[in-house]
Amino acid sequence: AQSVTQPDIHITVSEGASLELRCNYSYGATPYLFWYVQSPGQGLQLLLKYFSGDTLVQGIKGFEAEFKRSQSSFNLRKPSVHWSDAAEYFCAVCDSGAGSYQLTFGKGTKLSVIP
Amino acid sequence: KAGVTQTPRYLIKTRGQQVTLSCSPISGHRSVSWYQQTPGQGLQFLFEYFSETQRNKGNFPGRFSGRQFSNSRSEMNVSTLELGDSALYLCASRQGSGNTEAFFGQGTRLTVV
Repeated sequence: AQSVTQPDIHITVSEGASLELRCNYSYGATPYLFWYVQSPGQGLQLLLKYFSGDTLVQGIKGFEAEFKRSQSSFNLRKPSVHWSDAAEYFCAVCDSGAGSYQLTFGKGTKLSVIP
Repeated sequence: KAGVTQTPRYLIKTRGQQVTLSCSPISGHRSVSWYQQTPGQGLQFLFEYFSETQRNKGNFPGRFSGRQFSNSRSEMNVSTLELGDSALYLCASRQGSGNTEAFFGQGTRLTVV
């Protein structure tokens, strides 16, 4: 079965600093990978996705992620964090076997931003 | 284009009661999935519906059920509610074919007292 590990439960960065959120996955086939963001009490917003092709993918709000098959990683990055980026971030892998579509999520990384 | 709409946003129920949550997907999307989010277990897959058929079900007891209508709208039902069912229930909408991403609604916050 597939799994996703987000090693960092909580990260605090200063506004304007760079950010990297780690994600490692376990999946037998070529994975479909996603990053979602969630503000308190809200649903999940898709930041970016990887299906195939270029291993560096660009998303919304200035985020990017790099797929590294050799390391089973899909880390999320942003060069300069804004206070509005404070939220919880979830990495997910999709199991699309047997014609179904099921997302397996990591436990999430809560991002705090210091003004 | 309207996003995924979930109703109601908040719900308080008593143990032993049953509850029905509703999800209207993005227009043209045929796949609807449901997830439960709790502080302890995180985000867990409940089930997926595509063209009125359940394609997959997560590891939840039979008290959790769902259905999808011909207009792709979906409902999930939880019978004999337990305190542990308190959670944010999220619905995700997807076109249903090919490599496509899922879009989530705002969720329904269920509190069981």
